Amino acid sequence: NAGVMQNPRHLVRRRGQEARLRCSPMKGHSHVYWYRQLPEEGLKFMVYLQKENIIDESGMPKERFSAEFPKEGPSILRIQQVVRGDSAAYFCASSPKQGNFYEQYFGPGTRLTVT
Amino acid sequence: AQSVTQLGSHVSVSEGALVLLRCNYSSSVPPYLFWYVQYPNQGLQLLLKYTSAATLVKGINGFEAEFKKSETSFHLTKPSAHMSDAAEYFCAVKNGGNQGGKLIFGQGTELSVKP
Repeated sequence: NAGVMQNPRHLVRRRGQEARLRCSPMKGHSHVYWYRQLPEEGLKFMVYLQKENIIDESGMPKERFSAEFPKEGPSILRIQQVVRGDSAAYFCASSPKQGNFYEQYFGPGTRLTVT
Repeated sequence: AQSVTQLGSHVSVSEGALVLLRCNYSSSVPPYLFWYVQYPNQGLQLLLKYTSAATLVKGINGFEAEFKKSETSFHLTKPSAHMSDAAEYFCAVKNGGNQGGKLIFGQGTELSVKP
C-alpha cells in the first residue's frame, strides 16, 4: 500500500510565477491536510479538504493561495505570483476519517524555492 | 485555543544515554497528543499518540511518552539513545471536537546523538 505521494519533490520558481503542488493521499483516504514548514520553524496548518469540499481553510493566506481536492485525481495546492517568502517545505497529510482519534500520514513534502 | 510548547530547540545526548524531549500543551478540552519524527529532507513519521486510553504510551523505535494532566505535559523518552535517533521531533495536539482535526505543532526539538 503506497503512502502519501507528493510531487514534485523540489520546485524552483521565479518571483511572479505560479506554483502547483500535488498530493495523492493513501489509498482509501478521503481527508487531506496541507501544512507549511518555513525554515527553522515547525509545521503550520494551512487547509483541510475532503473530496470536492474545503472544510477548514483557516490557515491559508488570504491572497494568492488556493487548494482543491477534486472527485478524481490528486489534491492541488496552488500559489499564484510567488514571492520569496513562499519558499518553504509544503507537506500533505491524509487520514481515513475525520476526528481526533485518526492519525494523519504525511508525504515526503515539496520543497519550494522562489528565486 | 490549543497550543503546544516544546522546551529546548536543540538537545544533545551521548549514545546510550537517556533521551528526554519536553512537550507541554494547552487545551480547554481533553487533548489528543502526538509525537512525530522528521529525518532530514523527509516527511513526518508518527512515533506515538495519546488518545486517552492509557497515560503511558509506547511507540516505535523504543520511544514512549507519559500524559500528565496535572502538569499538562507529554514528554517523550527513550532509555538508551542510538545514533539513528538523530532527527527533529515534533509534538502536536489535535484540534478539539470531531470536526476538522488539524494538528497544531510545537516548534520542534532537534536531537543530536554523540558517539
